[in-house]
Amino acid sequence: AQSVTQLGSHVSVSEGALVLLRCNYSSSVPPYLFWYVQYPNQGLQLLLKYTTGATLVKGINGFEAEFKKSETSFHLTKPSAHMSDAAEYFCAVREDFGNEKLTFGTGTRLTIIP
Amino acid sequence: NAGVTQTPKFRILKIGQSMTLQCAQDMNHNYMYWYRQDPGMGLKLIYYSVGAGITDKGEVPNGYNVSRSTTEDFPLRLELAAPSQTSVYFCASSYPSREAKLFFGSGTQLSVL
Repeated sequence: AQSVTQLGSHVSVSEGALVLLRCNYSSSVPPYLFWYVQYPNQGLQLLLKYTTGATLVKGINGFEAEFKKSETSFHLTKPSAHMSDAAEYFCAVREDFGNEKLTFGTGTRLTIIP
Repeated sequence: NAGVTQTPKFRILKIGQSMTLQCAQDMNHNYMYWYRQDPGMGLKLIYYSVGAGITDKGEVPNGYNVSRSTTEDFPLRLELAAPSQTSVYFCASSYPSREAKLFFGSGTQLSVL
């Protein structure tokens, strides 16, 4: 069965500092991995996704993530945090085409310190 | 372009009451989903549908029912509301592809008192 674990329910970084949000997955087959962002009182929006090919994927708003099969990880990074990055971030996994279900992690709330 | 529309945005129910959360999408997506979001728990899948007339249970289906009579609509029914169903409910839709992103509605905040 597929699952994701997000380490750290709350992360605080200073404006301009590196953002690192951690995600580890469990899957019996090659996974498809996603990061979604949720701004206050809104639904979720796709930040980026890994399907096949290049293991470093770039998303919107300067975020990127690297798929590391040996570590079963898909951590989200951004070199320089901006106040507008304050939101909740969710990692998600889908196993294969025959599995239509997307399984989400418990989320990480990112706070930006001015 | 409306995307995914959920109604109502807020609702307070008494224990034992019933209600239907409405969800409609105008993108001709085959796949539709209902999730609930609780603090610190992430999103849990309640039910999903891969097309009109086809529905299946997710992780937490107890206490809920769904139907999918058209491609556009995917209502979620609560028959006997319980305090444990207090949550924020999100409807989502996508194309039938493993790479496809989910489009989310803005959510329904439900309190059962």
